[in-house]
Amino acid sequence: DIQMTQSPASLSASLEEIVTITCQASQDIGNWLAWYQQKPGKSPQLLIYGATSLADGVPSRFSGSRSGTQYSLKISRLQVEDIGIYYCQQASSAFTFGSGTKLEIK
Amino acid sequence: QVQLKESGPVLVQASETLSLTCTVSGFSLTNYGVIWVRQPPGKGLEWMGIIWRNGNTDYNSALKSRLSINRDTSKSQVFLKMNSLQTDDTAIYYCTREDYGGMDAWGQGASVTVS
Repeated sequence: DIQMTQSPASLSASLEEIVTITCQASQDIGNWLAWYQQKPGKSPQLLIYGATSLADGVPSRFSGSRSGTQYSLKISRLQVEDIGIYYCQQASSAFTFGSGTKLEIK
Repeated sequence: QVQLKESGPVLVQASETLSLTCTVSGFSLTNYGVIWVRQPPGKGLEWMGIIWRNGNTDYNSALKSRLSINRDTSKSQVFLKMNSLQTDDTAIYYCTREDYGGMDAWGQGASVTVS
């Protein structure tokens, strides 16, 4: 089974700051990588699919990138509404989620 | 408008079988796969299984022996059944729509407690 190692587990950042979350795949998954945001008490929402494609309605301050088997989600200018838990997910072989990153405002 | 809605019992006895229904609207089950995901209280997301648009299924290897997913395309419904429930199966159960490897629409979730 493919494992997704997500870091950091938690993150505190200031408004307008650049935030980066990473996921390391245990083997090659190509571009079969998605990112989600989950706000407290809500269902997760798709942010990025295909490693770099922005989902419909997602603000352009969110972006995804890939370097080999390492994937990153970047928030270019952190806003208060961005607080929540972020998950990566691979879809190359079955599906696997990362363990999540809790993002807070400093 | 794409919508998914989970329904089923809130409370299930240990060792019994969980049956959940996902009713979808705004798209056809023959054009999209439907995935079940669960989330124990205070924990992360776990992929459970998928029924693809062609009706084939794949399951999480850790749940495969207990889990089955089926559908009724005429009713736009997907069904999850999982047997031999234990207390650590207590979770919110979500159904989601699969598209290009991502889950682009989610239900509100069904909270299930195993006692």
